[in-house]
Amino acid sequence: EADIYQTPRYLVIGTGKKITLECSQTMGHDKMYWYQQDPGMELHLIHYSYGVNSTEKGDLSSESTVSRIRTEHFPLTLESARPSHTSQYLCASEGGRQSELPGANVLTFGAGSRLTVL
Amino acid sequence: KNQVEQSPQSLIILEGKNCTLQCNYTVSPFSNLRWYKQDTGRGPVSLTIMTFSENTKSNGRYTATLDADTKQSSLHITASQLSDSASYICVVSDRGSTLGRLYFGRGTQLTVWP
Repeated sequence: EADIYQTPRYLVIGTGKKITLECSQTMGHDKMYWYQQDPGMELHLIHYSYGVNSTEKGDLSSESTVSRIRTEHFPLTLESARPSHTSQYLCASEGGRQSELPGANVLTFGAGSRLTVL
Repeated sequence: KNQVEQSPQSLIILEGKNCTLQCNYTVSPFSNLRWYKQDTGRGPVSLTIMTFSENTKSNGRYTATLDADTKQSSLHITASQLSDSASYICVVSDRGSTLGRLYFGRGTQLTVWP
């Protein structure tokens, strides 16, 4: 059962609309991430947060913004959507240990939000 | 340049057969390597995570190997099932601190036919 939830799963909107993609996790993880993924391509980091009131831009330039007011909630907002924003957006949180060595935390992904801008 | 390269790009096998997926990386310094399974339209799910001191790790029918000297990893799937059809993504982390970043491969698309 998923512990990280993304809504909406699918969204089709017109150019110029403002949208917010929701991401919530129930695991109490401090680190959260937003990735963008196009078909057949690698995931690109667009935003990350290491805790409440902490947000940073990732490697891929994005016109989206994020906020982290609560530990469990990390929404992503596009003020004015364009067709170039059409993509799959994946939210992830990091915590727990699968190895005794540091840095080997498990990255848990949500199911993704597929955005289509017409 | 830190990169993660996966091969083959796509693979079709018959149900019940074994297969091996490859991952070569140039990420340095190396902290750990992860394999994820991503079903179509879903988020990736962790299969294994290995640090430099681990040569092999199994998760059911999935067995990952790591050669930190040659910077190569493989994911072996035994007795494939239809549900194994998915994209398998290799991810490498460059350090063990909280500032470590992840490098993603483009994945190998596996299709299992009945």
